[in-house]
Amino acid sequence: EPEVTQTPSHQVTQMGQEVILRCVPISNHLYFYWYRQILGQKVEFLVSFYNNEISEKSEIFDDQFSVERPDGSNFTLKIRSTKLEDSAMYFCASSARPTRDRGRSEQYFGPGTRLTVT
Amino acid sequence: AQKITQTQPGMFVQEKEAVTLDCTYDTSDPSYGLFWYKQPSSGEMIFLIYQGSYDQQNATEGRYSLNFQKARKSANLVISASQLGDSAMYFCAMRVYSGAGSYQLTFGKGTKLSVIP
Repeated sequence: EPEVTQTPSHQVTQMGQEVILRCVPISNHLYFYWYRQILGQKVEFLVSFYNNEISEKSEIFDDQFSVERPDGSNFTLKIRSTKLEDSAMYFCASSARPTRDRGRSEQYFGPGTRLTVT
Repeated sequence: AQKITQTQPGMFVQEKEAVTLDCTYDTSDPSYGLFWYKQPSSGEMIFLIYQGSYDQQNATEGRYSLNFQKARKSANLVISASQLGDSAMYFCAMRVYSGAGSYQLTFGKGTKLSVIP
């Protein structure tokens, strides 16, 4: 069964450093997302990406964040200058175009990258 | 704005018994989708079940069923015949269709389910 993959599984970085989190979405999916989950809290939407551009972003997704689809398979999240409060689990997700019928249209999540900023 | 409310921070259930996890939602959009995800201690998010706002019947997926009451804006997850492996966090989420090309999910705070042997 196709799955979303993410690398690395755990990233430790020092405050102020740049990090790039990588994701390989499911190959025939068109919509890509990043979410984050601070330890013990709910999952929060960061950004969605469709047709090679950001389609929507949350207030969390400030100028320190950027996303890119550098080739036909990878989808990356870059944090330019990490802060302590960026420590969280970051999930990538992808989906086919949702439809109004009963068909499966869920977002498939990757296993996550745990980012620890020290 | 969309909102998901899960009022049960923690639940206990005896193995082999059924359990209901509550979820209420709020949206003004007539077209939306409701999801339940399971998050074990290992951290990954596992899709369980989906209910579309136009679906006439409640969704079922194996031991999981969704008790969808549209007028009450509730989408409770029912797990039948609980197993020890069901112990995890469970998140209810809603996706609202928009014309902006974005279908992001809004999550509730989750319910931690513990299955007792």
